Amino acid sequence: DTAVSQTPKYLVTQMGNDKSIKCEQNLGHDTMYWYKQDSKKFLKIMFSYNNKELIINETVPNRFSPKSPDKAHLNLHINSLELGDSAVYFCASSQNPGQGSYFGPGTRLTVT
Amino acid sequence: AQSVTQPDIHITVSEGASLELRCNYSYGATPYLFWYVQSPGQGLQLLLKYFSGDTLVQGIKGFEAEFKRSQSSFNLRKPSVHWSDAAEYFCAVGGGSNYKLTFGKGTLLTVNP
Repeated sequence: DTAVSQTPKYLVTQMGNDKSIKCEQNLGHDTMYWYKQDSKKFLKIMFSYNNKELIINETVPNRFSPKSPDKAHLNLHINSLELGDSAVYFCASSQNPGQGSYFGPGTRLTVT
Repeated sequence: AQSVTQPDIHITVSEGASLELRCNYSYGATPYLFWYVQSPGQGLQLLLKYFSGDTLVQGIKGFEAEFKRSQSSFNLRKPSVHWSDAAEYFCAVGGGSNYKLTFGKGTLLTVNP
């Protein structure tokens, strides 16, 4: 009974390619997020959707485009991948601020 | 703007010893505060949370944290550390209408046998 799942777990690709990461949550939460964790383990929010509506967009290059087909899914598409995009990307979901967020297992993206 | 400071990058303790991980936050209103743990190669697991009420909160795995408004702190404690507690620990502050979490840079805990 995985609460927040992401696919793929690992993604290795070359510079310039386009790739997508998928996220699904079965918790019935209204809000979903994408976070990026860099090589120094620093976690930073990228995007947040509430009921399929974008509510946070944190100065992320427009090569990154989130898409939420329904409130249980939030996908991340990345165009023209760069070396600096290498990181672990975490999807998360939340129902209210006091509850905290539930995180997926992460997708380790390596750009060569 | 909200921010979190975890002053200790790396802490080493012996198994069975007590533990305190420090966290200081900056937030304009009453904060929601959280501690998460990340084991190597894993996602983040919520240990405990605080918004209101008793300032000493209990979490999973025997952890507790104390909210001190006057010090803007939310330190994590455990009376006796187990080898399986070795991991990265993140303090986070959140709130507002967008539920955004801002994380500290993490504290790596090493447990010696």
